[in-house]
Amino acid sequence: GAGVSQTPSNKVTEKGKYVELRCDPISGHTALYWYRQSLGQGPEFLIYFQGTGAADDSGLPNDRFFAVRPEGSVSTLKIQRTERGDSAVYLCASSLNSGWAYEQYFGPGTRLTVT
Amino acid sequence: AQSVTQLGSHVSVSEGALVLLRCNYSSSVPPYLFWYVQYPNQGLQLLLKYTTGATLVKGINGFEAEFKKSETSFHLTKPSAHMSDAAEYFCAVSDGNTPLVFGKGTRLSVIA
Repeated sequence: GAGVSQTPSNKVTEKGKYVELRCDPISGHTALYWYRQSLGQGPEFLIYFQGTGAADDSGLPNDRFFAVRPEGSVSTLKIQRTERGDSAVYLCASSLNSGWAYEQYFGPGTRLTVT
Repeated sequence: AQSVTQLGSHVSVSEGALVLLRCNYSSSVPPYLFWYVQYPNQGLQLLLKYTTGATLVKGINGFEAEFKKSETSFHLTKPSAHMSDAAEYFCAVSDGNTPLVFGKGTRLSVIA
């Protein structure tokens, strides 16, 4: 079956612009996670959805970052007033069950470059 | 707070040789431990995980890892490396109530 998909695969934007990154999880997966991976680092947690609600958003670095999952499926990560430090690969993952003990299925990521 | 240390950002082995990728963690409670693999331009894929029970965990592609509480380690091994094992490997830990914390990764190269 189809895995987790993310669009776009690459995004180049100018400093100060607004961007949206989309994640389509595996059908039927209730939990959805966003991570950020900087060069040479492991993925860093941003936010976790259980259904439509954010169960844990403790990883969002500041109020420029926001994510939604209005119908409990597709999610959008939104970044306002982008900064060069936001450049990274943004990963989305989903899991059948909610919680940190379960296998997460990752998408290929969106590479964001802020110039 | 949990943390993960992966010793060696880059490991190089010959084809057919033993693969050993090291992972040490810190956690105040019994941890959930994971190894993920990332191939170029692909998403992370779960190799294996430890939650409870048997401390020697077998995963996909011939990999296994052993949870050693006394050493706070969860090293990944494979008896015989294959060219297709070349990838980035990440160890991750969670206490079950807080998000996964990933290590910085170890890039495995396999030499023919």
